[in-house]
Amino acid sequence: DIQMTQSPSSLSASVGDRVTITCRASQTISNYLNWYQQEPGKAPNLLIYAASNLQSGVPSRFSGSGSGTDFTLTISSLQPEDFATYYCQQSDSTPYTFGQGTKLEIK
Amino acid sequence: QVQLQQWGAGLLKPSETLSLTCAVYGGAFSGHYWSWIRQPPGKGLEWIGEINHSGNTNYNPSLKSRVTISVDTPKNQFSLKLTSVTAADTAVYYCARTWSWTSKRRVYWYLDLWGRGTLVTVSS
Repeated sequence: DIQMTQSPSSLSASVGDRVTITCRASQTISNYLNWYQQEPGKAPNLLIYAASNLQSGVPSRFSGSGSGTDFTLTISSLQPEDFATYYCQQSDSTPYTFGQGTKLEIK
Repeated sequence: QVQLQQWGAGLLKPSETLSLTCAVYGGAFSGHYWSWIRQPPGKGLEWIGEINHSGNTNYNPSLKSRVTISVDTPKNQFSLKLTSVTAADTAVYYCARTWSWTSKRRVYWYLDLWGRGTLVTVSS
């Protein structure tokens, strides 16, 4: 299985901050990388697919980049509704695997 | 607007079989894969497996010996069975649509639509 490692595991930031979350794959996955946001008690919500493509309806302050083994999710200016947990997921091969999550908290 | 509605027993005893069903409303069922994912309380996400309308499946090897995913295409439903459950199987179980997108001759897969989740607790 491909292991996905996110960093940091948790992050404190303020409204208006620029935030970057990193995801590393245990082997090269080209750009078969997706990002999800999960609010407490809710299902995950797709943000970014194929490393850098913004899902319809997702605010443009979210962006993704990377290829190979290293990827980033950036939120350009944090809004109150962005405080949640973020997961990366590889879809290069089954079993699809997720990172352990990054919890974004209000400073 | 496509919606996924899931249901099933929420409390099981060890050794019993977990059984969940997910129905797809308002959109195409054929032409997609349909997935199950679980999340233990306070922990991360684990992909369980997927099925398409023809019954082709992919399973997570870590669960493969206990998992069966089946499909009822006329009803636009798919189901999950997990046998011999233990406390370690306590989790919120989600159904989801696996969307495929083709770009530059590459096919990308991602989970674009999720059910609301069902908490399954295994306890004696």
